[in-house]
Amino acid sequence: DIQMTQSPSSLSASVGDRVTITCRASQSMSNYLNWYQQKPGKAPKVLISAASSLESGVPSRFSGSGSGTDFTLTIDSLQPEDFATYYCQQSYNIPWTFGQGTRVEI
Amino acid sequence: EVQLVESGGGLVQPGGSLRLSCAASGVTVNNNYMSWVRQAAGKGLEWVSVIYSSGTIYYADSVKGRFTISRDSFRNTLYLQMNSLRAEDTAVYYCAKVRVVSAGRYYFDWWGQGTLVTVSS
Repeated sequence: DIQMTQSPSSLSASVGDRVTITCRASQSMSNYLNWYQQKPGKAPKVLISAASSLESGVPSRFSGSGSGTDFTLTIDSLQPEDFATYYCQQSYNIPWTFGQGTRVEI
Repeated sequence: EVQLVESGGGLVQPGGSLRLSCAASGVTVNNNYMSWVRQAAGKGLEWVSVIYSSGTIYYADSVKGRFTISRDSFRNTLYLQMNSLRAEDTAVYYCAKVRVVSAGRYYFDWWGQGTLVTVSS
């Protein structure tokens, strides 16, 4: 199974900050990496697929990059509605696996 | 617009069974890859199972042999039959539609609201 490790597990930031979350895979997986945002009590929502492809309707302050084993999610100019937990997920191999999540707090 | 509505969750004793349903609208379950993902309270997301449009099925090792995914084309509904339930199966279970970009490039593009399964005596 491919293990996905996110860092940090949590971070504190302010509105307007630039935030970077890292996801590392236990083996190379091209760009088969997706990012999701989850708010408390809600289902996850996809932000980025294939490492860097922004999902329709997602604000352009979100961006993704990376390939192989190392990936990043960047939020430029953090907004109040961005405080949430973020997960990476690989679709390269079954079982599809998620990172443990990164909680972005005020 | 796609809507996925899960039902069937509840309290069940260890060793018991439960069947979850996911009623879909705006999408044809049989023509899409459909999946179940779960989340224990305060924990991360765990993929459980997927059924491809072809009928191919995969399970996480943690549920293999105990859970069965299936679909009903007439009712346009996805199911998850859960047997031999354990305390560690306690979680919110989400039904999710899988977007297929190309071989290997998949992601969950629509999610239901989730249904809570609690396994406890």
